[in-house]
Amino acid sequence: AQSVTQPDIHITVSEGASLELRCNYSYGATPYLFWYVQSPGQGLQLLLKYFSGDTLVQGIKGFEAEFKRSQSSFNLRKPSVHWSDAAEYFCAVAPREYGNKLVFGAGTILRVKS
Amino acid sequence: EAEVAQSPRYKITEKSQAVAFWCDPISGHATLYWYRQILGQGPELLVQFQDESVVDDSQLPKDRFSAERLKGVDSTLKIQPAELGDSAMYLCASSPAPFPNTGELFFGEGSRLTVL
Repeated sequence: AQSVTQPDIHITVSEGASLELRCNYSYGATPYLFWYVQSPGQGLQLLLKYFSGDTLVQGIKGFEAEFKRSQSSFNLRKPSVHWSDAAEYFCAVAPREYGNKLVFGAGTILRVKS
Repeated sequence: EAEVAQSPRYKITEKSQAVAFWCDPISGHATLYWYRQILGQGPELLVQFQDESVVDDSQLPKDRFSAERLKGVDSTLKIQPAELGDSAMYLCASSPAPFPNTGELFFGEGSRLTVL
């Protein structure tokens, strides 16, 4: 089935440690790819996006993501996590065969321990 | 900084009652979206407007849900009658042009509905 998968429901990392959140998709053509963050009580905010070109994209708040076509993945990374990064992170794709409608994964909740 | 405004932030209602949510997008944004986010899941598109016209409502349960954007600015999403399974966060988003041309949707803080 065509989908967006975030295999980790929860992740806990220590402040200052590195972070990687996984995202895989299963659509025919390479979709447009996004990561959004949702802090408690707030709306979703775009962290970064990939349309084409360089497969390593930089976003806001020190985040980056790498598109790997062979693995159908778009993993989010940050070299050093801050306590303020605790939030829920959503991978989203816009499959070209679905009129570029944005489809979200189920999200990964990030906890940061001091 | 311009924001997408939504109200109410929280709504508790009994099943079979009517509820309505309001959204005011960022000024100048022609495209408006309503998403539903059930606890533990990602947002799911309910309806998309381009100006005052509906361009996608394929996932909107039309027997009980309705949405309008009469003047192409603010929008209302209505549920009548509400059912227990409608308990969710209802998110409004806007963009200057139809996605993905601009690459970003701007989301409001959402309206959390609890149906008892």
